[in-house]
Amino acid sequence: EPEVTQTPSHQVTQMGQEVILRCVPISNHLYFYWYRQILGQKVEFLVSFYNNEISEKSEIFDDQFSVERPDGSNFTLKIRSTKLEDSAMYFCASSEDRGPNSNQPQHFGDGTRLSIL
Amino acid sequence: AQSVTQPDIHITVSEGASLELRCNYSYGATPYLFWYVQSPGQGLQLLLKYFSGDTLVQGIKGFEAEFKRSQSSFNLRKPSVHWSDAAEYFCAVGALDTGRRALTFGSGTRLQVQP
Repeated sequence: EPEVTQTPSHQVTQMGQEVILRCVPISNHLYFYWYRQILGQKVEFLVSFYNNEISEKSEIFDDQFSVERPDGSNFTLKIRSTKLEDSAMYFCASSEDRGPNSNQPQHFGDGTRLSIL
Repeated sequence: AQSVTQPDIHITVSEGASLELRCNYSYGATPYLFWYVQSPGQGLQLLLKYFSGDTLVQGIKGFEAEFKRSQSSFNLRKPSVHWSDAAEYFCAVGALDTGRRALTFGSGTRLQVQP
């Protein structure tokens, strides 16, 4: 069964450094997402991406965050200047939706654990 | 805005016993509801979903869930639990009818299975 894959599985970064988390969504999916889960807290939505642009973002997704689809397969989340509170598990997801009125479920990767020192 | 409550943080059941995990949602229109499972070190795996139609939905691994609009609930059930079902279970709600795709998750219920 096709999977969403994320790399690396664990990333350790010094505070203030830039970090890029990488995801390969399922190949025929068109909607891509990032969520995060701070240890002991709920999974929270960050951003959705469709047709090469952000379609929706949460309050968490401020100017320090950006997303990109640099080629036909990868989807990345960049944090420009990391803070201690960015430490979390970051999940990438994708869905087969063909537009905003579609309703296909989101399929998640195994996550990248980001630790900020 | 939508919200999800999973009242039970931790549940322990014996292997072979039945299971029901509770989920209550808050959303003004017809919700899109999901259950995901997360095993240790793994991502979120979709167990089942409800969009419309039959209020009893079947999922993978022998799970089912029932949508009850009058109770704003979407409880997950399994008639006989296996040791491999030990994991964390998340209920989520979407507002796809608005064109928004963000899922709102509950806090999760950790299931422990005793031999």
